[in-house]
Amino acid sequence: SQQGEEDPQALSIQEGENATMNCSYKTSINNLQWYRQNSGRGLVHLILIRSNEREKHSGRLRVTLDTSKKSSSLLITASRAADTASYFCATDYQGGKLIFGQGTELSVKP
Amino acid sequence: ETGVTQTPRHLVMGMTNKKSLKCEQHLGHNAMYWYKQSAKKPLELMFVYNFKEQTENNSVPSRFSPECPNSSHLFLHLHTLQPEDSALYLCASSQDLVGFNQPQHFGDGTRLSIL
Repeated sequence: SQQGEEDPQALSIQEGENATMNCSYKTSINNLQWYRQNSGRGLVHLILIRSNEREKHSGRLRVTLDTSKKSSSLLITASRAADTASYFCATDYQGGKLIFGQGTELSVKP
Repeated sequence: ETGVTQTPRHLVMGMTNKKSLKCEQHLGHNAMYWYKQSAKKPLELMFVYNFKEQTENNSVPSRFSPECPNSSHLFLHLHTLQPEDSALYLCASSQDLVGFNQPQHFGDGTRLSIL
């Protein structure tokens, strides 16, 4: 199965701290994507990183990709209560599919 | 506002009912997707449409029947569902298929409960 796995499954931090989530996958990819889901809502795309890229930034988000280890990490710096959500990584598979991991539930306490 | 609208937001139906879920995207995208999200499970891809043609059926039971009349609209017709089909059903779209480095845009989903 191509399915990715996120680690940790749940993470609780204080506002202002950094949050790091990890993702592993099994087969070769063209890209890896990170999404956020607030409770009761759909997923929101955060960052797409291509297989030939090693690091990408967007505001307070930093994503790394290590294709030799088939792993990625998402770092959220200076977290805010509004960052409380579930975070998913997803990898493309057989051209037309996105395969999602189980997600990390992030709780940021004020 | 993600540009992808799903209706209804909530649906309760009996096992013998027939209902339909609707998805509309205002982004000019060519690919559309149906996903099922159950508690404690990863998102499960159900169907993929590209330029109105179905390119993926991920071994979905025939009680789920998709329809894509044009690139902007996607339906999921439901009949004789089972209690285990209770879940959040998410629609998504992308400019092209995700293998071409495309992000997906999601609607807020339909929360389906089967009695």
